[in-house]
Amino acid sequence: EDQVTQSPEALRLQEGESSSLNCSYTVSGLRGLFWYRQDPGKGPEFLFTLYSAGEEKEKERLKATLTKKESFLHITAPKPEDSATYLCAVVGDTGFQKLVFGTGTRLLVSP
Amino acid sequence: ETGVTQTPRHLVMGMTNKKSLKCEQHLGHNAMYWYKQSAKKPLELMFVYSLEERVENNSVPSRFSPECPNSSHLFLHLHTLQPEDSALYLCASSQDRDRRYSPLHFGNGTRLTVT
Repeated sequence: EDQVTQSPEALRLQEGESSSLNCSYTVSGLRGLFWYRQDPGKGPEFLFTLYSAGEEKEKERLKATLTKKESFLHITAPKPEDSATYLCAVVGDTGFQKLVFGTGTRLLVSP
Repeated sequence: ETGVTQTPRHLVMGMTNKKSLKCEQHLGHNAMYWYKQSAKKPLELMFVYSLEERVENNSVPSRFSPECPNSSHLFLHLHTLQPEDSALYLCASSQDRDRRYSPLHFGNGTRLTVT
């Protein structure tokens, strides 16, 4: 059964303090790994798609990387507006259009 | 309007009521989804409509009934709900080409409370 585990569950950073969020997964034939950001009271907002090990994607202060077992979301010099819940999801070759989500990491960046 | 729009944003209903959630996407996508989000739990896929084919999670109770009249509109009909059905219900859409997995675009959800 496909599974996603995200850690830590919650993370508090000072503004400018870089860190990484982890997404460990088990899936039969990875077809894609997705990162989303969710603000309170809103739906998830798409950030990145990674399709194969070694792939990296960047957007402003965020950088996502992928290995055969996990993905990292690196946050460089975060700002308070980066505070949100970050969700990871995978889809494998046994579940067309069936993304399996993790429970997310709640990030709080203090000024 | 752009993106994925859900109405209502909040809904309180009794266990004997019948109500419907509405979703409309303005992205020209060909697939639409219903997800359930409960506290401390992963998003749970309920239903998928892709190229007019319906795919569903077999664990979803029959008190939830989806309807997709066209590729831009999606409804979730609710009847005889239970308090444990209280959650955030999210609609999403995607553009699927030859089974390549494209990202989902979500609406802001309907916060449902069953009393």
